Amino acid sequence: KQEVTQIPAALSVPEGENLVLNCSFTDSAIYNLQWFRQDPGKGLTSLLLIQSSQREQTSGRLNASLDKSSGRSTLYIAASQPGDSATYLCAGYFNDYKLSFGAGTTVTVRA
Amino acid sequence: DGGITQSPKYLFRKEGQNVTLSCEQNLNHDAMYWYRQDPGQGLRLIYYSQIVNDFQKGDIAEGYSVSREKKESFPLTVTSAQKNPTAFYLCASSIQTSGNHEQYFGPGTRLTVT
Repeated sequence: KQEVTQIPAALSVPEGENLVLNCSFTDSAIYNLQWFRQDPGKGLTSLLLIQSSQREQTSGRLNASLDKSSGRSTLYIAASQPGDSATYLCAGYFNDYKLSFGAGTTVTVRA
Repeated sequence: DGGITQSPKYLFRKEGQNVTLSCEQNLNHDAMYWYRQDPGQGLRLIYYSQIVNDFQKGDIAEGYSVSREKKESFPLTVTSAQKNPTAFYLCASSIQTSGNHEQYFGPGTRLTVT
C-alpha cells in the first residue's frame, strides 16, 4: 500500500517569508502528484499537478517539484501572505489508479 | 459555470438511519469518486466509478453504497451498517481514472450522526 507523508503537520511563519512544504511517498512508480489547498470546512482546490515525466510545475507564486528517485515533492510558496493560511495536501497517483493522500500541513501566515 | 456540487452542506441524522449524499458534476467527466475526511487524517477513498453503470470499492467501502445511473450524478448512501459515519464527505471527478488526469473536488458535505 502506498503511503504519503507530510511533515510537519502544522507550520507558522511571518508574512513575507517563503513557505516550503514537504511531501514524501514510498512508491517511486508514481503517475502524477497533485497539491491541493483546503480552507476550513471547504472542499479541495487543486493547485498544481506534476506528471511523472516532469520535475516541476509553476503557477504564480507557487512552485512544486517532484523527485521520484528520492520519493519527495516540495511545494514552495514565495512571499507568503495571510491569505495563504490554509491546509495544504499532497496526493499521489500510483499504479492502482487511485489518489493516495497525505494528512496535510496546516499553514498559518502571521500578519 | 462548470463544477461539482454537493448537497446538502450539513446533514444531521439519528443513529440507525440511512442517509444519501448528493454529488452532481457538469464537467462531462467519466470518472467520479467519494472520499471521507476525518480530523488529522488524509482523505480515504470510499467508492469510485469509471463510467456509467460501473463502480468499484475503495479502501473503506463497508457500510456505504453508491449508484451511477447518469454520467453527471454519483450519490452516496451511508447505511446504518457504517460504524462511525460522522465525517466530512467529499466528491470528486476527473476525465478518466488513469493517473494522468487531475481530480476536481466539490465543496463537501459534513454529516453528523447522533
